[in-house]
Amino acid sequence: DSGVTQTPKHLITATGQRVTLRCSPRSGDLSVYWYQQSLDQGLQFLIQYYNGEERAKGNILERFSAQQFPDLHSELNLSSLELGDSALYFCASSRGPETDTQYFGPGTRLTVL
Amino acid sequence: GQQVMQIPQYQHVQEGEDFTTYCNSSTTLSNIQWYKQRPGGHPVFLIQLVKSGEVKKQKRLTFQFGEAKKNSSLHITATQTTDVGTYFCAVRAGKSTFGDGTTLTVKP
Repeated sequence: DSGVTQTPKHLITATGQRVTLRCSPRSGDLSVYWYQQSLDQGLQFLIQYYNGEERAKGNILERFSAQQFPDLHSELNLSSLELGDSALYFCASSRGPETDTQYFGPGTRLTVL
Repeated sequence: GQQVMQIPQYQHVQEGEDFTTYCNSSTTLSNIQWYKQRPGGHPVFLIQLVKSGEVKKQKRLTFQFGEAKKNSSLHITATQTTDVGTYFCAVRAGKSTFGDGTTLTVKP
């Protein structure tokens, strides 16, 4: 158990819909990262927040947005969903903003039908 | 941003054989991290290397950072069935960049 929690574990929805994925970092960690992992694919970095502020941005689609709240939990919003958005979405957290170890949550499996 | 290429993509070995995965970059890396993801699981941090030529060992695992800090390797001696999974290298410099991973299967 990494100490990072993600909800929900599974999500099944239809094309065109909007969903919200939630992540709670480890106690004391200020950074939250979001990754997308499609079937048999690597980890695609989406975005990082540090202490409430956006820190780094990867290949995140405009249909996707995220935020980190004052209590440091984070949400990833995915809208106008397409079949290709079906993937495992991981959240990770770390103590600091840069080179620290990332601790990954168990992931949310999103299926778009 | 920094890109890392990881090879091979897949490796099938007989239990007891050795295994090596390589991570290469065209630019100098400030650091490199290695993660392992078991089938159906999430990535788990293994180690971080920051110094040129650094070598670190964890039981049967040996991690190396190249002298030029442009490549790294993970070597497993005498693989066991518990070693199965995908091994990723990752670079932390602004963006977080993961290699595509090497998936190891071990035949008992």
